[in-house]
Amino acid sequence: EAQVTQNPRYLITVTGKKLTVTCSQNMNHEYMSWYRQDPGLGLRQIYYSMNVEVTDKGDVPEGYKVSRKEKRNFPLILESPSPNQTSLYFCASSQAGGQNTGELFFGEGSRLTVL
Amino acid sequence: KQEVTQIPAALSVPEGENLVLNCSFTDSAIYNLQWFRQDPGKGLTSLLLIQSSQREQTSGRLNASLDKSSGRSTLYIAASQPGDSATYLCAVARRTGRRALTFGSGTRLQVQP
Repeated sequence: EAQVTQNPRYLITVTGKKLTVTCSQNMNHEYMSWYRQDPGLGLRQIYYSMNVEVTDKGDVPEGYKVSRKEKRNFPLILESPSPNQTSLYFCASSQAGGQNTGELFFGEGSRLTVL
Repeated sequence: KQEVTQIPAALSVPEGENLVLNCSFTDSAIYNLQWFRQDPGKGLTSLLLIQSSQREQTSGRLNASLDKSSGRSTLYIAASQPGDSATYLCAVARRTGRRALTFGSGTRLQVQP
């Protein structure tokens, strides 16, 4: 079954404790991306990757890092989480053709609370 | 900077009605526009993808149109059902610069049985 898998789905942590949210897709997609969803602000893109070793900032990259060492995985790293990073996070992937992101497939989301 | 607006923010209709959801965007230089459905506590599911060169796409009871020159897209849902209740979001992919997507804030639809 084609899917995007995120882990953990739920996490409560404390300020400053490094954490990683993993994302894996089994569709051999080139394009992967991370979003956060906040009430009243909608979905905002954090980082995206057009292919292995190619990453770029989205609209709200501050406080986050990503890496793309393998095509299927695109982890989101919070080196020193702060309460304003409490949010619902989504990973997505698509088969990017040329300049086009194509149809996006989303993971189920990871709800992060930073105390 | 691209801005995407969806109107109305919420909509409640009786079962069986045909309805239209609206999406407008400020920069017409787009690659494509997608409509998504989001159920509470779930991820987003892609419904329709319209390339910038296309005028509309259809899937079952759903029809999405795109008018780039006026910066508008509509999602038409025919013969609505209670199972259509969800939040519907549109997202626009930029044609130049960063290949980021900009999402609208969504329309929350409730279809009453």
